Amino acid sequence: AQRVTQPEKLLSVFKGAPVELKCNYSYSGSPELFWYVQYSRQRLQLLLRHISRESIKGFTADLNKGETSFHLKKPFAQEEDSAMYYCALSGFYNQGGKLIFGQGTELSVKP
Amino acid sequence: GAGVSQSPSNKVTEKGKDVELRCDPISGHTALYWYRQSLGQGLEFLIYFQGNSAPDKSGLPSDRFSAERTGGSVSTLTIQRTQQEDSAVYLCASSYLGGRYTGELFFGEGSRLTVL
Repeated sequence: AQRVTQPEKLLSVFKGAPVELKCNYSYSGSPELFWYVQYSRQRLQLLLRHISRESIKGFTADLNKGETSFHLKKPFAQEEDSAMYYCALSGFYNQGGKLIFGQGTELSVKP
Repeated sequence: GAGVSQSPSNKVTEKGKDVELRCDPISGHTALYWYRQSLGQGLEFLIYFQGNSAPDKSGLPSDRFSAERTGGSVSTLTIQRTQQEDSAVYLCASSYLGGRYTGELFFGEGSRLTVL
């Protein structure tokens, strides 16, 4: 069964501190992994995807197939990073692009 | 259009009433998805459409829930005989399918449903 687990409901850090939002997944095939973000009063939107191997707003995430993880990291958190973050999973070439989401982690960056 | 549009943005209804939620996707997007967002539950997949057909309805919680899409565009999610546990934000998203990889999902602002 496909499943995405985000163990932390809330993560609170101070500005300038490193941040890591954890994501583990369960999937039998080749997965595509994503991070979506929802800022206050805004729509849910794509932050980054593992196939792009990009750094977006200073965030990076590496797919670790051995540990079935896709943790989101940023070396120096900013107050504007405060938001709800969702990790999501899809299978390659299938299912019409349907995403399975985790329960989300609320990131709070304090001044 | 500017983006995915959902209506109503807020709906308060009494237990037992039927509700309809509407989604207008981005023009040209072939796939349309419905999700439910509730406190502590994250984003729960309900159903997705490719064109007007729904290959995957596996997330609909009960037979009180149904959805349709017409003209490859607008979709309606209908909840019959609403219950208090149906209270949530219902999100619609659309995507263009056709590339090798999963397309980006573009979300609407959601319809907040409150069942009294």
